[in-house]
Amino acid sequence: EAGVVQSPRYKIIEKKQPVAFWCNPISGHNTLYWYLQNLGQGPELLIRYENEEAVDDSQLPKDRFSAERLKGVDSTLKIQPAELGDSAVYLCASSLAGLNNEQFFGPGTRLTVL
Amino acid sequence: GQNIDQPTEMTATEGAIVQINCTYQTSGFNGLFWYQQHAGEAPTFLSYNVLDGLEEKGRFSSFLSRSKGYSYLLLKELQMKDSASYLCAVRLNSGNTPLVFGKGTRLSVIA
Repeated sequence: EAGVVQSPRYKIIEKKQPVAFWCNPISGHNTLYWYLQNLGQGPELLIRYENEEAVDDSQLPKDRFSAERLKGVDSTLKIQPAELGDSAVYLCASSLAGLNNEQFFGPGTRLTVL
Repeated sequence: GQNIDQPTEMTATEGAIVQINCTYQTSGFNGLFWYQQHAGEAPTFLSYNVLDGLEEKGRFSSFLSRSKGYSYLLLKELQMKDSASYLCAVRLNSGNTPLVFGKGTRLSVIA
């Protein structure tokens, strides 16, 4: 069975440009997370979806970041416009509904903003 | 705020045993996770503790003391492929709530 799929794996853009990341969770996983991971740091949550509903987006910088999960499966995370400080790895994870289920992570998208 | 501390780097010899410690001070607790992350790859699940005590899984074991806010990951019979970052993460609430991660411990296994 395929794991969490993310694309692109790498993205280099100039500041002020828009960028989008895509995530396909494991089939049947209702919960989807977007995390940001800076170099030498642990992942930090940006947004969490239960099916198509964003249930926790308190850490998402809403002035430039947006996300959607249409139909409760795939999700996209967008940054517009990107800033130098947005350079990081953007990780997507998914898990089954229910208590204390393990989160499975995708390989991440490494974003470099020049 | 949430505080999860673990050493930044550790070095150990192939075949040896290494213990990676994690202490936490969080507003809630509903389980502690250890993940392994090789450079440029996804974090992968290693262990989960919600009750005090030791959980053993092959060469890897994880211990939890909730009263002390303390956990450790024990790696036995170290192999070169164990060189990676090890992330300690706490789930604050029940259900599919997000994990709060420490900064990770970068382990280097040397010959």
